[in-house]
Amino acid sequence: AQTVTQSQPEMSVQEAETVTLSCTYDTSESDYYLFWYKQPPSRQMILVIRQEAYKQQNATENRFSVNFQKAAKSFSLKISDSQLGDAAMYFCAYRSLASTGTASKLTFGTGTRLQVTL
Amino acid sequence: DTEVTQTPKHLVMGMTNKKSLKCEQHMGHRAMYWYKQKAKKPPELMFVYSYEKLSINESVPSRFSPECPNSSLLNLHLHALQPEDSALYLCASNPPGKANYGYTFGSGTRLTVV
Repeated sequence: AQTVTQSQPEMSVQEAETVTLSCTYDTSESDYYLFWYKQPPSRQMILVIRQEAYKQQNATENRFSVNFQKAAKSFSLKISDSQLGDAAMYFCAYRSLASTGTASKLTFGTGTRLQVTL
Repeated sequence: DTEVTQTPKHLVMGMTNKKSLKCEQHMGHRAMYWYKQKAKKPPELMFVYSYEKLSINESVPSRFSPECPNSSLLNLHLHALQPEDSALYLCASNPPGKANYGYTFGSGTRLTVV
């Protein structure tokens, strides 16, 4: 079974600064997908960024980028030019290639609560 | 339409009540999921429907009963719940065969069992 670990329960960043959220995972699979989701107080889980394990290039979406280290099983999220709207709980998630049944589930880390201060 | 819609947004029910949660999407996704999220915890998988075929998490108690009437609609029937079942219930969908897409989540139903 796969596990996902987020070792930072809470992080704080000043507006316009950069912050990095950590995530490590454990798996015996060689191909899989990794995601970062954001959950603001409105409760909806919003996909921030995704990474295919077979791609060496790190994914980037505007101010969000990842540092994917496959050998180290590490998948950190960097938020640049932080904004007040970035304040939320951030979950790292793992998904195997299986497309049906319970094997298609997302396995989540415990989350990191990000505060953005003025 | 790129949304997953969940109703109701809030629900308070007694331990002897029967209620249902509803989830709807019109994106043509043929995989739909129910997740349970306790406060300050990550979501945990309860049920998966792939092409209207059910797969369950064996640890989910029988007082939760899922139903998938068609490819766009997912229900979660609740009966004789316990106070510890109070949680946020999230519905999600995904196009089968496109695991790299991630899920599209609804905004959840906040359930309180009294």
